[in-house]
Amino acid sequence: GDSVTQMEGPVTLSEEAFLTINCTYTATGYPSLFWYVQYPGEGLQLLLKATKADDKGSNKGFEATYRKETTSFHLEKGSVQVSDSAVYFCALNAGGTSYGKLTFGQGTILTVHP
Amino acid sequence: KAGVTQTPRYLIKTRGQQVTLSCSPISGHRSVSWYQQTPGQGLQFLFEYFSETQRNKGNFPGRFSGRQFSNSRSEMNVSTLELGDSALYLCASRTSVNTGELFFGEGSRLTVL
Repeated sequence: GDSVTQMEGPVTLSEEAFLTINCTYTATGYPSLFWYVQYPGEGLQLLLKATKADDKGSNKGFEATYRKETTSFHLEKGSVQVSDSAVYFCALNAGGTSYGKLTFGQGTILTVHP
Repeated sequence: KAGVTQTPRYLIKTRGQQVTLSCSPISGHRSVSWYQQTPGQGLQFLFEYFSETQRNKGNFPGRFSGRQFSNSRSEMNVSTLELGDSALYLCASRTSVNTGELFFGEGSRLTVL
C-alpha cells in the first residue's frame, strides 16, 4: 500500500538556520504530494503541494520538489524563524477514487530558538 | 469565507459511552473526510463522504461510523468507547474538482476515561 516516511525528529535549529526535512514515499501510479503544517492546538494547514514529477511547490519561503526518480519530496527553507516552530507532515494522495484520502508521514517537530 | 468548523472542540467521555462529532465544511465543498490523530499512530484516515455517500473507508472497526447530510455537513459517531479512542479527530473538506488538497478544521479532542 501507499506509505510516507519522514526523517526522525525532533529538529531544533537557531533562527536563520537552513532547514531540511526529508520525506520519501511509496505509491503506485502518480500521486500528488503535500506538506502540511500544524501549529500547537490547531488543525492542519496546507503549506505547499506538487502534483507531478519535477514540480516545485513553494510558499512562505518553504520549497519542495517532486522527485519521482528518488521518490522524494524534501522540505527546505533557507532561513527559519521562531514562528516556523510547528509540526510538519508530508503526505500523498493517490488520486483516482481516493482524492479525499491522504496518507501521512509521522510528522516532524521543528523548534526554532532565537 | 468561513473555514471548516468542528464541534465540540473538547469533550470527555467514559468507556462504553458513545460520542457524535460534527463537521461543517467550507461553503461549496461537497466532500468531507475524517482523520484520527494520536501520538502513537499519527494521522489515520477514517472515511470520506461525497454527496451523502461514503466513498472511502480506512481500516477502523465498525464502531466508527459517519454520515453526510444534504447540506454537506457531516457527523461521525463512535460507539462503545475504549480508552484507545482518545484522540484528536480532524475533519477536512475539499471541492468537487479532482484534487487531493484538503482543508482541515481545528479538530475535536476526545478524552475517554
